Amino acid sequence: GEDVEQSLFLSVREGDSSVINCTYTDSSSTYLYWYKQEPGAGLQLLTYIFSNMDMKQDQRLTVLLNKKDKHLSLRIADTQTGDSAIYFCAEGDNAGNMLTFGGGTRLMVKP
Amino acid sequence: DADVTQTPRNRITKTGKRIMLECSQTKGHDRMYWYRQDPGLGLRLIYYSFDVKDINKGEISDGYSVSRQAQAKFSLSLESAIPNQTALYFCATRSTSITEAFFGQGTRLTVV
Repeated sequence: GEDVEQSLFLSVREGDSSVINCTYTDSSSTYLYWYKQEPGAGLQLLTYIFSNMDMKQDQRLTVLLNKKDKHLSLRIADTQTGDSAIYFCAEGDNAGNMLTFGGGTRLMVKP
Repeated sequence: DADVTQTPRNRITKTGKRIMLECSQTKGHDRMYWYRQDPGLGLRLIYYSFDVKDINKGEISDGYSVSRQAQAKFSLSLESAIPNQTALYFCATRSTSITEAFFGQGTRLTVV
């Protein structure tokens, strides 16, 4: 079945860039997503990328997709303390079926 | 008001008890999902429904059942709760015409 893997933890200093990585196994994935979960809250969609794209930029967020290696990354420029959260990578298909999530990466931003 | 509302937000129950978690949505989406979140395991799919007459098992459906009472309502039941069902439960909705899934705030369930 599908599998999505992420590292568990990342710590950066305020103002630095953060890079959160994700690998997936399902080559039929149509969309790849990044969700953010703040303490006590549900998941909030940050951005997504179609599988036929290599890169997507949205303000401080840059998503890179290497489809050959099935590797997805999220770069947060000028990381702020408010970016501290758990970040989930997820993959989904075009049929609106379920999303498959990675285990989440906890980002800690130190002042 | 939230687009996807889960009730209760927190619940402590005893082993062997029946419990129902409810989800309602105002987005008019046809697809609804129940996920379970455990630390380090991400979200795992329990059940999903594409419309009122369609119910499908997810990755970890054993010990759970669901009911899609209306397009806007999707409830999750634990017929006889056990301690390893202690987790954070999320309901989500999605439309076939858009890519984003919308999540509720979550229900933290503790089985003692």
